Amino acid sequence: SQTIHQWPATLVQPVGSPLSLECTVEGTSNPNLYWYRQAAGRGLQLLFYSVGIGQISSEVPQNLSASRPQDRQFILSSKKLLLSDSGFYLCAWSSWGDRGMETQYFGPGTRLLVL
Amino acid sequence: GDSVTQMEGPVTLSEEAFLTINCTYTATGYPSLFWYVQYPGEGLQLLLKATKADDKGSNKGFEATYRKETTSFHLEKGSVQVSDSAVYFCALKLDNYGQNFVFGPGTRLSVLP
Repeated sequence: SQTIHQWPATLVQPVGSPLSLECTVEGTSNPNLYWYRQAAGRGLQLLFYSVGIGQISSEVPQNLSASRPQDRQFILSSKKLLLSDSGFYLCAWSSWGDRGMETQYFGPGTRLLVL
Repeated sequence: GDSVTQMEGPVTLSEEAFLTINCTYTATGYPSLFWYVQYPGEGLQLLLKATKADDKGSNKGFEATYRKETTSFHLEKGSVQVSDSAVYFCALKLDNYGQNFVFGPGTRLSVLP
């Protein structure tokens, strides 16, 4: 079966510090991968998605970047964090399953607090 | 553009009450429809899904029917429990490669004992 991991689970960082969040997927190959941010009490904001190694699409301009160095690894980075980067970061993967339906599955999330 | 609208929360119910969370969508094609649930401090979990008109998705006592004529996918449960307290997200996905998932804003449900 497929599993998705994210780490760290919680992170407290000072403003201006760098960021690296990692997401890995097991049990599937060539998944589509996604990074979302969820501000406190709010909905999901799609940040990046990737359909393959080295292929990254950005949905919103910001000081974050994403990379996909391996098929099942997706990394979210920043060189200098802002206060507004605080939030709950969710990684997700999707694949085309039964009856040609693409379904998205989420990781446990990383809670980031920038102080 | 494609969008999902959900009823505003929070929804507060007593245990064993009947639940309905409304979801309607706007899409240029024929989407697949999903309900996800997010428990406090956790990621989203797929609750149920439907791929075409009149399909009924069901799981853990929850169910939703894909209504093409009303572009709706309302979530229902006959008897809620305190453990159902969570945020529920309705979402759609168009049947086109590369198209993204579109999520509603979420509806917070609180079930009181």
